[in-house]
Amino acid sequence: DAGVIQSPRHEVTEMGQEVTLRCKPISGHDYLFWYRQTMMRGLELLIYFNNNVPIDDSGMPEDRFSAKMPNASFSTLKIQPSEPRDSAVYFCANSPIGGNTIYFGEGSWLTVV
Amino acid sequence: EDKVVQSPLSLVVHEGDTVTLNCSYEVTNFRSLLWYKQEKKAPTFLFMLTSSGIEKKSGRLSSILDKKELFSILNITATQTGDSAVYLCAARNSGGSNYKLTFGKGTLLTVNP
Repeated sequence: DAGVIQSPRHEVTEMGQEVTLRCKPISGHDYLFWYRQTMMRGLELLIYFNNNVPIDDSGMPEDRFSAKMPNASFSTLKIQPSEPRDSAVYFCANSPIGGNTIYFGEGSWLTVV
Repeated sequence: EDKVVQSPLSLVVHEGDTVTLNCSYEVTNFRSLLWYKQEKKAPTFLFMLTSSGIEKKSGRLSSILDKKELFSILNITATQTGDSAVYLCAARNSGGSNYKLTFGKGTLLTVNP
């Protein structure tokens, strides 16, 4: 298994532009998480899904952020419009039901200028 | 609100030293405590702890959980330069469809030759 696959790996965009981050989870892993990591705030859970259904989106910072999981093999995190303070590493992570840990993708390094 | 606090925030040691990293947590319906190592990329799983007083060990790394005092420690003996990384602690709440990992901000360990 290739593990959690995220794209793009690096993104530099101008303030106001729409950003879409993509995640292909590990097959059969029912939980999918989106985390954001910054130096100041560490790793923050934005949203997570169970069987494609959003369970907890209380970590989504504001209406500019949205996440979807249309099927078991794909999820997106969208920021529209983007702002410089959104600059961070965004991780997608998975876990199977009953799993002991979550498995992280390599992250999408976002810079908004 | 669930909270995980790690200390120290950073630590610089020489090869061969022993280090102890601390993690305290306040999580509703606590289920388990996890340790991750993060180098340049994604966090990688080290340990999961669910029971008090039972040490988990992997080579030079070991960890233990105290559920009464709500903390865990990660020990690294005979440190090597390859141990340099950010060590993250995360607390998980109870299972079912509810699966939330709350991370601390991490301890940055630097091991000098």
